[in-house]
This record gives sequence, C-alpha cells and structure tokens, in this order.
Amino acid sequence: SQTIHQWPATLVQPVGSPLSLECTVEGTSNPNLYWYRQAAGRGLQLLFYSVGIGQISSEVPQNLSASRPQDRQFILSSKKLLLSDSGFYLCAWSVDPGGDTQYFGPGTRLTVL
Amino acid sequence: GENVEQHPSTLSVQEGDSAVIKCTYSDSASNYFPWYKQELGKRPQLIIDIRSNVGEKKDQRIAVTLNKTAKHFSLHITETQPEDSAVYFCAATPFNNDMRFGAGTRLTVKP
Repeated sequence: SQTIHQWPATLVQPVGSPLSLECTVEGTSNPNLYWYRQAAGRGLQLLFYSVGIGQISSEVPQNLSASRPQDRQFILSSKKLLLSDSGFYLCAWSVDPGGDTQYFGPGTRLTVL
Repeated sequence: GENVEQHPSTLSVQEGDSAVIKCTYSDSASNYFPWYKQELGKRPQLIIDIRSNVGEKKDQRIAVTLNKTAKHFSLHITETQPEDSAVYFCAATPFNNDMRFGAGTRLTVKP
C-alpha cells in the first residue's frame, strides 16, 4: 500500500532563516505531488504541484520554492522565512493528473518567530 | 481558474440530527468533487467523492449530491455523532490537475 511521509513534524524557525521540508511517497511510481499551506483556522492553499521529476508548477508567487530531485521526493524550501510563512504544510499525492483523489501526508507545523 | 465557495463556515447540530454543507464551483470543466474531513491538528482525510457523470453517491451515513447545471454539490451527514465534529472541505478539480478547495465548514455535533 502507498504511504506518504513528511518531516519534520514540527519546526520553529526565526525570521530570515532558511527552510527545507521533505515529503516522500512509498508504494507507487510517478505520483503527482503537491504542497499545500494551511494558515491557522483557514483553508488549504495550493503552493506547488509536480507531475514528474524536475517538473514544478507554482500557484502563488512567494518566497518559497519546490524541487523534485527524485520520483517520490518533493522538497519545499525557502532562503529567508517570513512571519507570514507560519502554518501547517501538507504534502499530498495522487495517481493521475486531474480528476483524481489526493492523499495527504501528516503535515509539518511551522512557526516562524 | 476554478473558484469554490463553501457554506456555511460553521455549523452546529444536535446529535442525531442531519447536517448539510453546500459548495458551488465556477469552472464547468470540473469533473471530480471530493470531500475531506480534517480533525484538529490532523491531515485532511477523504470521506467521499463524486464524479461529474454521477448525480448522487452514498456511503452509510454520508451522501454527496451533484447538480452540474447549477454547478453546486452538497455533503449530507445523517444521524450525526460527536465524532463527526471536524472541519469539512469540499474541492473541485478540472482536467488540468488544479484542485481547488472550499474555505471549510467547522461542524460541531453537540451530545
């Protein structure tokens, strides 16, 4: 069966520091991968999605970037965190692009101080 | 792009009553409509979904209806229980892989 991992589970970082969040999927090949951010008490905002290695689509201009160095690995990064980057970051995967169920990882709770 | 609106933002019901959450979407090309349940501090979990070639789908106490003409779909929970308390998100996705979520509905079931 497929599983999706995210780490770290929680992170507290100072403003201006770098960020690296990792997501990996097991049990499937060539998944579509997504990064979402959820501000406290708010909805899900799609940040990036990827249909293959090295293929990244950005949804929202921001100081974040994403990379997919391997088929089942998706990384979210920032060179300098802002206070507004605080939130719950969720990675998700799906089998097919478009019209398919997305399954979410456990999430990373990021607090920027 | 797709725009999904969800109502109400909060919903409080008595245990045993029914709950209905409604969503509208803007892109007529959307063909897949999942519903997710998110408990406090946890990841969203898929509870039911419907595709555009189906008008209604039911799974025990949960049902979803879709009206393509009006571009709206609804989640119905019958015989609510305290463990149904959570935030529920609807979503819509057209073929281009760009799933859009509603803002969420916080459901509270009072015992």
